[in-house]
Amino acid sequence: QVQLQESGPGLVKPSETLSLTCTVSGGSISSYYCNWIRQTPGKGLEWIAYIYNSASTNYNPSLRSRVTISADTSKNQFSLTLNSVTAADTAVYYCALRQSSGRNFAYWGQGTLVTVSS
Amino acid sequence: NFMLTQPHSVSESPGKTVTISCTRSGGSIASNFVQWYQQRPGSAPATVIYDDNQRPSGVPDRFSGSIDSSSNSASLTISGLKTEDEADYHCQSYESNSQGVFGGGTKLTVL
Repeated sequence: QVQLQESGPGLVKPSETLSLTCTVSGGSISSYYCNWIRQTPGKGLEWIAYIYNSASTNYNPSLRSRVTISADTSKNQFSLTLNSVTAADTAVYYCALRQSSGRNFAYWGQGTLVTVSS
Repeated sequence: NFMLTQPHSVSESPGKTVTISCTRSGGSIASNFVQWYQQRPGSAPATVIYDDNQRPSGVPDRFSGSIDSSSNSASLTISGLKTEDEADYHCQSYESNSQGVFGGGTKLTVL
């Protein structure tokens, strides 16, 4: 069964860069759209970006200027970097997979809380 | 660009039926499939409906989805409510360029 695990610092200082990695087991990331989604405390979900086949990327226009998504198929991992963070970027960050022929985010990591604070 | 608007909260009694709406502003609700996710406290979301009205295996048939072009909205209906259905529910769809869009989420209380 497919499992995802987010990893990365839980605390980032304002103006610095947030970096997270999602490690996937039980399936190859090459078969999926690999997504990052975040949820601010007490608020709704926000789609951030996806990468497919290690080359095709798509970004939320509201975050595009600060976000990069990448993948390492040899490690079956994909990553997120978010530059110039502010307190508004404090959120639970989820990685999630969508099958190439599907529309739903079928597999999710447990989520990791990232707090932006000095 | 479009938005998906959900009621902030709904409540209903065990055994009853509840419907949660998701209204699209900008473009037709039928333009792109709608998904629904259940999120219990402290857990990641999980799909309960995909492609407007399809249930993943393991999701009870008490959960159903539909779209209504006249109101430009999607709906999630849960019948025979159980206390375990108490959770946040999020609708989700896509822009034409495959960018994801979520609704604000609805807190369902079963009391």
